[in-house]
Amino acid sequence: NAGVTQTPKFRVLKTGQSMTLLCAQDMNHEYMYWYRQDPGMGLRLIHYSVGEGTTAKGEVPDGYNVSRLKKQNFLLGLESAAPSQTSVYFCASRPLDGYSNQPQHFGDGTRLSIL
Amino acid sequence: DQQVKQNSPSLSVQEGRISILNCDYTNSMFDYFLWYKKYPAEGPTFLISISSIKDKNEDGRFTVFLNKSAKHLSLHIVPSQPGDSAVYFCAASLGEYIFGTGTRLKVLA
Repeated sequence: NAGVTQTPKFRVLKTGQSMTLLCAQDMNHEYMYWYRQDPGMGLRLIHYSVGEGTTAKGEVPDGYNVSRLKKQNFLLGLESAAPSQTSVYFCASRPLDGYSNQPQHFGDGTRLSIL
Repeated sequence: DQQVKQNSPSLSVQEGRISILNCDYTNSMFDYFLWYKKYPAEGPTFLISISSIKDKNEDGRFTVFLNKSAKHLSLHIVPSQPGDSAVYFCAASLGEYIFGTGTRLKVLA
């Protein structure tokens, strides 16, 4: 009954360090997403994937890279962290649409601070 | 340019009364709208949705209204309960979802 699991839940980095955020879903969903949430900005899409081996840029992709080597996992990488990337990161997944849009299922977030 | 706007950052309502959360959008091509609820330290959870071909959808205490001519969406919660206190996000779909900035609802006991 896990749904969407994000690791880690919290992390503090120094400017210039790199790290990878992991998202895993056990619902066999085709679509996966990475968002960031900042005060007064809502949820902004960083990158997304419509299937294993595919990725696409969202609204705010600069400074991030992603990979989807397995259907159940979606990784978000920061190659050289900057203070502007301090945020709460949410991963989401949803099944392939039929005739109606399917809602997204979200993880509980990763709180990332860059010093 | 924000395509989905929630102009009220916060709202306080007495328990038992109606809560009305509003959302405005600019793109008339959006074909599906959703509301999510978010508690602190948790991810957003889906609440209710509406297709652009409808003007109302109801699920228990929650009703979403869509006014396409005004490009306006609202969520009504009746009666409001303390457990409804959360941040509510509206989202609009044009392939992928675009989220509003959220409204923090506080239901006072």
